[in-house]
Amino acid sequence: QSALTQPASVSESPGQSITISCTGTSSDIGDYNFVSWYQQHPGKAPQLIIYEVSSRPSGVSNRFSGSKSGNTASLTISGLQAEDEADYYCCSYASSSPHWLFGGGTKLTVL
Amino acid sequence: QVQLVQSGAEVKKPGSSVKVPCKASGDTFSSYAISWLRQAPGQGLEWMGRIIPSFGSVYHAQKFQDRVTITADQSLRTVYMDLSGLRSEDTAVYYCARDREDLKAFDLWAQGTKVTVSS
Repeated sequence: QSALTQPASVSESPGQSITISCTGTSSDIGDYNFVSWYQQHPGKAPQLIIYEVSSRPSGVSNRFSGSKSGNTASLTISGLQAEDEADYYCCSYASSSPHWLFGGGTKLTVL
Repeated sequence: QVQLVQSGAEVKKPGSSVKVPCKASGDTFSSYAISWLRQAPGQGLEWMGRIIPSFGSVYHAQKFQDRVTITADQSLRTVYMDLSGLRSEDTAVYYCARDREDLKAFDLWAQGTKVTVSS
């Protein structure tokens, strides 16, 4: 069982938007604005797409956006494209070891 | 080009150890921390620990405290993760990643090393 809770899978049609939730506690997501999101294609290493809740690294499409409310963080992908089909993982800093907690991952299917 | 490169797959017997190298290029090695994470088959990511090579400071997740050793060889620009007492549950892909204190995120990942523990 992962420390942060994500839906196992989501699906949506191309061109639509989708939001993936990530629920933690007051000791991690609720207490720190250090939430990041990673995209992982099959057989590949994860890639950072969002850091500090809502910031995008250089080169990441502005179709990806992040937010947080209370103990829950969210990743929204707008204008879905076939290449967005991947696994998405949330990560949060936590007050106690192991300090970096991950969600179990969400498999996005673009129908 | 800034990158992290790991070694190829390993197959180990239960009870043995594995040492996985992670070679850095560019300014990655001297300026940043390197974290180790792993991903068991079909599972999520798990953070194991980190090292700041320029300072030699190391921090391990409590779960791995007694079994993992993270070291750095500055002359080779390489960080190592040594995991001992291997058991079947340690079968996973092990990743090193650049740990950005300013971003509070892992912004550059190596390709990963698959470690299989089997008798």
